[in-house]
Amino acid sequence: SAVISQKPSRDICQRGTSLTIQCQVDSQVTMMFWYRQQPGQSLTLIATANQGSEATYESGFVIDKFPISRPNLTFSTLTVSNMSPEDSSIYLCSVEQGRSEQFFGPGTRLTVL
Amino acid sequence: KQEVTQIPAALSVPEGENLVLNCSFTDSAIYNLQWFRQDPGKGLTSLLLIQSSQREQTSGRLNASLDKSSGRSTLYIAASQPGDSATYLCAVKDSNYQLIWGAGTKLIIKP
Repeated sequence: SAVISQKPSRDICQRGTSLTIQCQVDSQVTMMFWYRQQPGQSLTLIATANQGSEATYESGFVIDKFPISRPNLTFSTLTVSNMSPEDSSIYLCSVEQGRSEQFFGPGTRLTVL
Repeated sequence: KQEVTQIPAALSVPEGENLVLNCSFTDSAIYNLQWFRQDPGKGLTSLLLIQSSQREQTSGRLNASLDKSSGRSTLYIAASQPGDSATYLCAVKDSNYQLIWGAGTKLIIKP
C-alpha cells in the first residue's frame, strides 16, 4: 500500500492569508486527489491532479482559490488562498493504486481565525 | 445519481461484542466498494476493498460483504475492542469512476 505524508499536520492561520499543503507519496502514482472534510462532514473532492497537466476541479472549487501543483509523480501541493473561517477543515491528499484501492494521507487540520 | 447511506450514524456497544455496520447504495453499477476508518482529526485508513465481482473480503477481525443486487454492504467486526472506536466510512466507486461517500458511522466501544 502507498505511504503518504502531508505537511503541515495542522496550522492556525489569519483571515486573508494563504497556506500551501504538501503531499509526498512513497511510490510513483498517476493521479493524486485533494479532498476537504469540513467539521462533522464527510469528504468532498476538491480536484484531481495528474502529472504534466492542469488539475481538474470539481463543481464549486476554482483554481484561483485552490491552486494545485503536480511537478512529478510522487509530489503535489494544494494552496488555500485568501482564507476565511469557512475554509477551516481537514485537507486530505489521496492516491489510487493497484486494484483501484484508495489511500489517504494523515491530513492537514486547518483553522482560520 | 449514486447515493450512499450508512446506518446507524452512531453506535455504542460494550467491549467484546460482535457488531455490524451497514452501507447501502442506490445504483448497483459499481466498480468497487471500500471501507475506511477515521480517528478524530486524522486521515483515513483503508480497511477493506471489495471489487464488484467479489462477495466478501476479510482482514483479521473484520469481514466486509457486498451484495450488488440489493445495493448493500456490511462491515462485521468480531470481538470488538476499545481501540476499534472510530468513525467508519464506506465509499463506492461508481460507473463514472467517481468515489461516492457515505456520511459514516461513529462507533464507540465501551470498556
